[in-house]
Amino acid sequence: AQSVTQPDIHITVSEGASLELRCNYSYGATPYLFWYVQSPGQGLQLLLKYFSGDTLVQGIKGFEAEFKRSQSSFNLRKPSVHWSDAAEYFCAVVPRVSGANNLFFGTGTRLTVIP
Amino acid sequence: KAGVTQTPRYLIKTRGQQVTLSCSPISGHRSVSWYQQTPGQGLQFLFEYFSETQRNKGNFPGRFSGRQFSNSRSEMNVSTLELGDSALYLCASSLGVGSSYEQYFGPGTRLTVT
Repeated sequence: AQSVTQPDIHITVSEGASLELRCNYSYGATPYLFWYVQSPGQGLQLLLKYFSGDTLVQGIKGFEAEFKRSQSSFNLRKPSVHWSDAAEYFCAVVPRVSGANNLFFGTGTRLTVIP
Repeated sequence: KAGVTQTPRYLIKTRGQQVTLSCSPISGHRSVSWYQQTPGQGLQFLFEYFSETQRNKGNFPGRFSGRQFSNSRSEMNVSTLELGDSALYLCASSLGVGSSYEQYFGPGTRLTVT
């Protein structure tokens, strides 16, 4: 079955530490890949996307993600976390189907940042 | 450019009532998608409108409907509200053409059904 999996429901990191949030997908063809962030009571903000080409993509707020075809993964990373990064992070895909523009989301990873 | 706006931001309704939510996309964007977010089911796609036509639909009952106007603004309607319809309803806009699949979200409408 087609799916997007975020194995970590909740992650706690210290401010200044590095961060990696995992995302795996299961689709016949590599979908378009996205990471969104949601702060409490807010909508979703697009952090970065991968369509094709360079497998390491840079996003906003110092985030980057690496696409690994062999592992069907698109993990989000940040070298040094700031307290303001505390939020929920969603991995999402758009399947490569003509005319389809809807996002399928993972269940999200809640990030807590401790001083 | 102004972002995606949604009105109202908060809404309280009673079971059996109907509700209409509104979304104004980013200027120049022709596609509007709606998503429902609940603690139990997460983020789920409701439907997408492009050039006033429903282009794609998720797995929701017919009580959920929508429309899009010529200026790309969109509304979604939920009839005969149930307690389980309590959720954050998010609207997202995108160009909707070519290879642009980036969607930009509004702040959402928090619907509470009592």
